Amino acid sequence: EDQVTQSPEALRLQEGESSSLNCSYTVSGLRGLFWYRQDPGKGPEFLFTLYSAGEEKEKERLKATLTKKESFLHITAPKPEDSATYLCAVQAEYGGSQGNLIFGKGTKLSVKP
Amino acid sequence: KAGVTQTPRYLIKTRGQQVTLSCSPISGHRSVSWYQQTPGQGLQFLFEYFSETQRNKGNFPGRFSGRQFSNSRSEMNVSTLELGDSALYLCASSLERTSDEQFFGPGTRLTVL
Repeated sequence: EDQVTQSPEALRLQEGESSSLNCSYTVSGLRGLFWYRQDPGKGPEFLFTLYSAGEEKEKERLKATLTKKESFLHITAPKPEDSATYLCAVQAEYGGSQGNLIFGKGTKLSVKP
Repeated sequence: KAGVTQTPRYLIKTRGQQVTLSCSPISGHRSVSWYQQTPGQGLQFLFEYFSETQRNKGNFPGRFSGRQFSNSRSEMNVSTLELGDSALYLCASSLERTSDEQFFGPGTRLTVL
């Protein structure tokens, strides 16, 4: 069964304290892995798409990496405005959920000044 | 450009009733996907429409249905509402495919009493 597990469920950081969020996945052929950010009361906001192991993408203080079993979202020197829930999703190439986006339950990040 | 709009934003219904939610995608976007978000299950894919045809479907009962119009606007319908249908329903649009960058609307908060 295709599934996505994110850890930790919640993470509290001090401003400037770098850390990483994990997304482990099992999928019948990976078509793509997606990272989103969701603020309270809003819909998710697209951050990155990764397609193959070894791929990396960066945006401001965020860097996403991908291996054959997991993805990491590295946050360097976070600021309070980075506080949000970060969602990971995969899209399967084959199988019953082919083409669908399967989301993890997210990591709720809080950055204190 | 204008984002994805969803109406209504909030809805209260009673068990057994039916409900219709509306989504207007970003201009030029032809793919519209619907998701259900709950604290327990997270974000779950309902279905995707492209050119007025359902292209993918998630693992939800037949009470959940949708359609897309020629202008790409989409509606989803839930019949015979159950308490467990209380959730945030999100619509997302993309240019052609769900693997393209998806833009989410703010969601419709449905409460079933």
